Amino acid sequence: DGGITQSPKYLFRKEGQNVTLSCEQNLNHDAMYWYRQDPGQGLRLIYYSQIVNDFQKGDIAEGYSVSREKKESFPLTVTSAQKNPTAFYLCASSNTANTEAFFGQGTRLTVV
Amino acid sequence: SQQGEEDPQALSIQEGENATMNCSYKTSINNLQWYRQNSGRGLVHLILIRSNEREKHSGRLRVTLDTSKKSSSLLITASRAADTASYFCATGRITGGGNKLTFGTGTQLKVEL
Repeated sequence: DGGITQSPKYLFRKEGQNVTLSCEQNLNHDAMYWYRQDPGQGLRLIYYSQIVNDFQKGDIAEGYSVSREKKESFPLTVTSAQKNPTAFYLCASSNTANTEAFFGQGTRLTVV
Repeated sequence: SQQGEEDPQALSIQEGENATMNCSYKTSINNLQWYRQNSGRGLVHLILIRSNEREKHSGRLRVTLDTSKKSSSLLITASRAADTASYFCATGRITGGGNKLTFGTGTQLKVEL
């Protein structure tokens, strides 16, 4: 099946710990994105990447880091510097600039 | 900051009625897209309109784009209970680093039987 897969679906983290969220796509898409969604809110862009080994900060990059070592993978690390990490995280990919984005099913991160 | 702001924030209608949602944005764009999200799930793409287009149709969906006013609208005709969801507009803008896709705040649509 072609698609975009996020794992895990639910993640619990203790305060002060870093945690990495996985995002993998087998659609051969160039662009990948990470968004954060808080309850009842829209999506806010954390990072985006157009090609391997290159990525750009979005609107709320502080406290997050990413890597793009392979075309199909774009993991997001939520660091201890992120003051309020509890949220729903969504990953997406798209083929070119003027095409639709495909979304994963999201990872719900809770800090305990 | 959010690129798009949607209006209204919430909309409740009866099945069979039309639903109209509006989106305003701040900067120049290459395209504008509409997505749907059911509670707690990922987003599903509905329709994309390029910056040089003014209107587009897909089934019961009609999207308009006015780049001079930096606004777009999504019309869902003959709504059904299954249309109940949150709807988001997203602007695509090609930057030096690639295609930046930025979402609005969303409209929660409830279609009642």
